[in-house]
Amino acid sequence: AQKVTQAQTEISVVEKEDVTLDCVYETRDTTYYLFWYKQPPSGELVFLIRRNSFDEQNEISGRYSWNFQKSTSSFNFTITASQVVDSAVYFCALMSLSSGNTPLVFGKGTRLSVIA
Amino acid sequence: DVKVTQSSRYLVKRTGEKVFLECVQDMDHENMFWYRQDPGLGLRLIYFSYDVKMKEKGDIPEGYSVSREKKERFSLILESASTNQTSMYLCASSPPGLAGVHEQFFGPGTRLTVL
Repeated sequence: AQKVTQAQTEISVVEKEDVTLDCVYETRDTTYYLFWYKQPPSGELVFLIRRNSFDEQNEISGRYSWNFQKSTSSFNFTITASQVVDSAVYFCALMSLSSGNTPLVFGKGTRLSVIA
Repeated sequence: DVKVTQSSRYLVKRTGEKVFLECVQDMDHENMFWYRQDPGLGLRLIYFSYDVKMKEKGDIPEGYSVSREKKERFSLILESASTNQTSMYLCASSPPGLAGVHEQFFGPGTRLTVL
């Protein structure tokens, strides 16, 4: 079975702090994809990144970085020097080839509040 | 600019009513999805479609049906709305290929309240 766990329900940080959002996944497949989406207060989910299981290179995009570790089945997301505009709900998601009825399995999300 | 639109941002219906939620995408995507989002439960897949007139059940299809008569439009139907279907409904689409592999583009959501 496929599963995504985002243990942090809510996080609150002060602007300019760094923050890491955790994502732990479960799958028996060797080929799978991991995603992060951002849902700002407007409601529309926005794609941030996709990673396949064969590419463990970490990725950096501006203030955002992702750490993919197959050994711990984790795909954590770090925001450096957080800003108020980063306040949103962030979802981690998993797609395995043997996903069954659900092509993409989402975690329950982490609500990040960045306080000025 | 790619776009997924949903017919209403907010909708209030009575128990027992038949409810139609419409979703339109302008990206010529084969795959379309309907999710519901509830606090503490994240996003759960209701139905998805990988082609016109094709549909697959997701995790929570009970009480819902879908229609995809045209490639760009995917409708979610609540045959007889109940209060436990009060939720945020999100539509998404993605390019052709195995559903879930590609980035999904989401609409703004419809917040449905059933009284």
